[in-house]
Amino acid sequence: KAGVTQTPRYLIKTRGQQVTLSCSPISGHRSVSWYQQTPGQGLQFLFEYFSETQRNKGNFPGRFSGRQFSNSRSEMNVSTLELGDSALYLCASSLGANTGELFFGEGSRLTVL
Amino acid sequence: EDQVTQSPEALRLQEGESSSLNCSYTVSGLRGLFWYRQDPGKGPEFLFTLYSAGEEKEKERLKATLTKKESFLHITAPKPEDSATYLCAVQSVGAAGNKLTFGGGTRVLVKP
Repeated sequence: KAGVTQTPRYLIKTRGQQVTLSCSPISGHRSVSWYQQTPGQGLQFLFEYFSETQRNKGNFPGRFSGRQFSNSRSEMNVSTLELGDSALYLCASSLGANTGELFFGEGSRLTVL
Repeated sequence: EDQVTQSPEALRLQEGESSSLNCSYTVSGLRGLFWYRQDPGKGPEFLFTLYSAGEEKEKERLKATLTKKESFLHITAPKPEDSATYLCAVQSVGAAGNKLTFGGGTRVLVKP
C-alpha cells in the first residue's frame, strides 16, 4: 500500500514569490493535515481537511491556505513568501476523523532566499 | 492553549543502556497522547496512543506510560537502530479533528 506522497521534495524560492505544495494521502484516507517543521518552533499545525472541508486551522497568517479535492488529494499554498517560511512542510493523512494516528509523508523542504 | 514540553532535548546512550524520555503536557481536556518517531529526512512515524492515566503500551524495546501530567517513553536495552528523534503530541477534547500539539522532541543517539 503506497504511503503519503508529497511533491516537490525540495524547492527554492525568493521572497515575495508564492509556492504550491501537493499531497496524495494513503488510499482510503479522507483526512489530510499539514504541519510546518522548523528547528526553532518544531512541528506546528497548519490546517486539516476532511471530505474537502477545512475542519481546523492553526495560528498562521492568511498567506497560508489549502484545499482538498474530491479524491482526497490536498494542496497548500503560501503567498508572498518570507524568509521565515523556510521549513519542512509535512502532510499527514488519517483514516479516521479524530484518531490522532497520523501517517506522514517525507515532506517538502522549502528554502526562501 | 495546549502545551507539550519534552526532556531531555538530547540523549546519548550506549547500546544496552536503558533510559526514559519525559513528556510533560498542559491541556484543557486530554483526548489522547501520542508518541512518534522521526528519522533524519523522514516524516514522523506513529508509535503509540495513550488515552488515560495509568495506561501503558509496549512495542519491542519501547514502553510508553501516562499520568495526569506527563508521559514517559522507556527504552529498554536500546540498539543503534533506536537512534531517532522521539516526538510527543497531545490531542485535546476541545480540538476538532486530528489537530495535534507537538513537543520539541528528544534526539536519541545509541552508540554501539
